[in-house]
Amino acid sequence: DQQVKQNSPSLSVQEGRISILNCDYTNSMFDYFLWYKKYPAEGPTFLISISSIKDKNEDGRFTVFLNKSAKHLSLHIVPSQPGDSAVYFCAASEVRGNEKLTFGTGTRLTIIP
Amino acid sequence: GAVVSQHPSWVICKSGTSVKIECRSLDFQATTMFWYRQFPKQSLMLMATSNEGSKATYEQGVEKDKFLINHASLTLSTLTVTSAHPEDSSFYICSASAGGRHEQYFGPGTRLTVT
Repeated sequence: DQQVKQNSPSLSVQEGRISILNCDYTNSMFDYFLWYKKYPAEGPTFLISISSIKDKNEDGRFTVFLNKSAKHLSLHIVPSQPGDSAVYFCAASEVRGNEKLTFGTGTRLTIIP
Repeated sequence: GAVVSQHPSWVICKSGTSVKIECRSLDFQATTMFWYRQFPKQSLMLMATSNEGSKATYEQGVEKDKFLINHASLTLSTLTVTSAHPEDSSFYICSASAGGRHEQYFGPGTRLTVT
């Protein structure tokens, strides 16, 4: 039972344009969401997070949007840079869930120079 | 800040032997550490959660006698794969969090190959 889903396994975006990565979840108990970036043979790197009391959080080129009613979140990267090419995972946790993260299946983002 | 190291980065062992992987939080005290496993082109699967000084909590389907986890201090957790078999070959990643925060900071991972 995949509680966090990233339906696009891959995405290609021109350098300088906006990259939009999507994530859907099914567990209504999730109330904190995170995005991680991962290079091959490395551990994930934390990018940005959002609490369910917000619908938007911005940090530099990265913005995360949360639509609770649709159980959907998205990560916007603008402008996209070649170094952004990686696999992006969204993750979710419950306030009372012992800080466990449930990860999505990942989206491979390729930035085309 | 929030640096997590893992050692070794890769290891090859023979079937039937045991392998220990260390995970250290270098610049913060990790009240909770997590161990994940990742198969090629798949997501991270949580194996267990450990809190300093207490027994680890294993996810369903993870054999606690095979994957021994020790969280001896606020900066060190170890995963021992006992009696390793080729199907245990995988990429093992640890993470750490501090003080009830949701953000987990990940180590660089350990590639285990069992021959």
